[in-house]
Amino acid sequence: KQEVTQIPAALSVPEGENLVLNCSFTDSAIYNLQWFRQDPGKGLTSLLLIQSSQREQTSGRLNASLDKSSGRSTLYIAASQPGDSATYLCAALNTGNQFYFGTGTSLTVIP
Amino acid sequence: NAGVTQTPKFRVLKTGQSMTLLCAQDMNHEYMYWYRQDPGMGLRLIHYSVGEGTTAKGEVPDGYNVSRLKKQNFLLGLESAAPSQTSVYFCASKPQGRETQYFGPGTRLLVL
Repeated sequence: KQEVTQIPAALSVPEGENLVLNCSFTDSAIYNLQWFRQDPGKGLTSLLLIQSSQREQTSGRLNASLDKSSGRSTLYIAASQPGDSATYLCAALNTGNQFYFGTGTSLTVIP
Repeated sequence: NAGVTQTPKFRVLKTGQSMTLLCAQDMNHEYMYWYRQDPGMGLRLIHYSVGEGTTAKGEVPDGYNVSRLKKQNFLLGLESAAPSQTSVYFCASKPQGRETQYFGPGTRLLVL
């Protein structure tokens, strides 16, 4: 069974700082890895999707990397802003078309 | 194009009551999923469907049943609600292939 872990559980940074969120998974046989953002009381919004054959994906100030061999993915946020405050979740899609989610990292960007 | 919608948004049940949560998507997606989200537990898959008329168990299926009679709808049923089923329930859909999931806004369920 796939286990997905996210560290740290919570992170607080001053505005403008660059930061890295970590995601690790135990089973490297994944189709892709996805990063989501969740605002309080809301659903999940997809940020970046990295296919198993890819090493990284970029969207604006966000960059996600994937290292299947070590079972790790990172989400890099450049020049953080207060509007980035949210919970960030990663999810691994396995070969059975099931997604396994991490417990998330709650990010607070302080103005 | 409404995406993924969920009905109701919030519900309070008494222990032993039954209810059905409705998920609808208008993107012609093949795959649909039901998750529950609890504090500190992340999202856990309850049941999923790979197409009309098919369903399969996820990680935490006990106490729930599902049906996918129409491609656009995925119903989650609680036959006899228990306080342990107090949670936020999310539905998601996905096209075939290694594509992203699209999530609904969630249903908050409180079982007293």
